Amino acid sequence: DGGITQSPKYLFRKEGQNVTLSCEQNLNHDAMYWYRQDPGQGLRLIYYSQIVNDFQKGDIAEGYSVSREKKESFPLTVTSAQKNPTAFYLCASSIGVRTGGEQFFGPGTRLTVL
Amino acid sequence: AQTVTQSQPEMSVQEAETVTLSCTYDTSESDYYLFWYKQPPSRQMILVIRQEAYKQQNATENRFSVNFQKAAKSFSLKISDSQLGDAAMYFCAYYPPNAGNMLTFGGGTRLMVKP
Repeated sequence: DGGITQSPKYLFRKEGQNVTLSCEQNLNHDAMYWYRQDPGQGLRLIYYSQIVNDFQKGDIAEGYSVSREKKESFPLTVTSAQKNPTAFYLCASSIGVRTGGEQFFGPGTRLTVL
Repeated sequence: AQTVTQSQPEMSVQEAETVTLSCTYDTSESDYYLFWYKQPPSRQMILVIRQEAYKQQNATENRFSVNFQKAAKSFSLKISDSQLGDAAMYFCAYYPPNAGNMLTFGGGTRLMVKP
């Protein structure tokens, strides 16, 4: 089955620690995205990548980092510089730039800072 | 900056009835796409329907249809014959392929379906 997988489903972090959220897709999509969702709110874009080895900051990139070494993978690292990282994180992909609004989403990772 | 506004935080509808969710957006672009996404309790986002700005005809997908008013920058979603499985958060979203390539979401509308 083609789709997007995210792991882990739940993640707990102590303050001051970096954590990495995994996102893998087997849809052969060029573009991938990371969003943050806080309770009762919409999605906010953290980072996106339109092609391997290239990525751009979204609206709330501070305290986060990404890499895109493979087409299938777009991991997100939440660093200790992110002051309020507790949130729900969604990864998505799209075929390309022209169809970038039509995104396929993973099941999400719930990150909680203890 | 583009903004997307959903003025109804919550809506409810009786099963088998019709409900309309509102969305307005602000842009200076002429080429863009509009979407409605559904987020059920599982929290995985699902694309419901899309509309190209250059198309005058309103998009339809089975029980889902939109009312796209380009001049008014309005993009409402109509759900006909509502089903219990339609209960979810619905997000309106805007995408300009030639200006920033970022999908901008509204704040969402929670739809409750009463049996």
